[in-house]
Amino acid sequence: DTEVTQTPKHLVMGMTNKKSLKCEQHMGHRAMYWYKQKAKKPPELMFVYSYEKLSINESVPSRFSPECPNSSLLNLHLHALQPEDSALYLCASSQPQGAQYFGPGTRLLVL
Amino acid sequence: GQQLNQSPQSMFIQEGEDVSMNCTSSSIFNTWLWYKQDPGEGPVLLIALYKAGELTSNGRLTAQFGITRKDSFLNISASIPSDVGIYFCARRKVNAGGTSYGKLTFGQGTILTVHP
Repeated sequence: DTEVTQTPKHLVMGMTNKKSLKCEQHMGHRAMYWYKQKAKKPPELMFVYSYEKLSINESVPSRFSPECPNSSLLNLHLHALQPEDSALYLCASSQPQGAQYFGPGTRLLVL
Repeated sequence: GQQLNQSPQSMFIQEGEDVSMNCTSSSIFNTWLWYKQDPGEGPVLLIALYKAGELTSNGRLTAQFGITRKDSFLNISASIPSDVGIYFCARRKVNAGGTSYGKLTFGQGTILTVHP
């Protein structure tokens, strides 16, 4: 099983809303990632969790707040986003030095 | 030194034709990954390469890790309409401590269009 699941599939939110994106994997992977992707561009790394600890924050604005409740789950809490934050948000997982497997993504629109 | 050059940027081919795309870099890496992404979906891992010179096939797809560890190519044989999508190469570089936590750098992608 190489499946990473993400919910919701689509999300529309206003700039004053608080919402959360969720990601789950049951492959026993100990590294999980959040990426942001704009249309026809490659994914851009946001955060890396390794063994449930935040190991990389790519200078992401504080309006994005990641959380790793356990080794299978990864959340991304969103608050006071801007329209330019509209994008496809991708979760991925891997063993720390293995290939990354991506979820289907959450299409976010900020109005 | 961290840039990946992926080419071509786009390809328009007839069904049944073979396709070749490649990625090059000025730096040495220890992993090359090839992904395919359909519109509105996440990238799907096609092939992972871990050793210089490694040649790996996955159905009609073949990829190789260049012997210099600075390049990789992906070939698709006998293309079909469902091969349409964006293909990304990605690489992971080992950091000074010997671990990398999987931080990837992606190429800019090759947009493939297949005409029936």
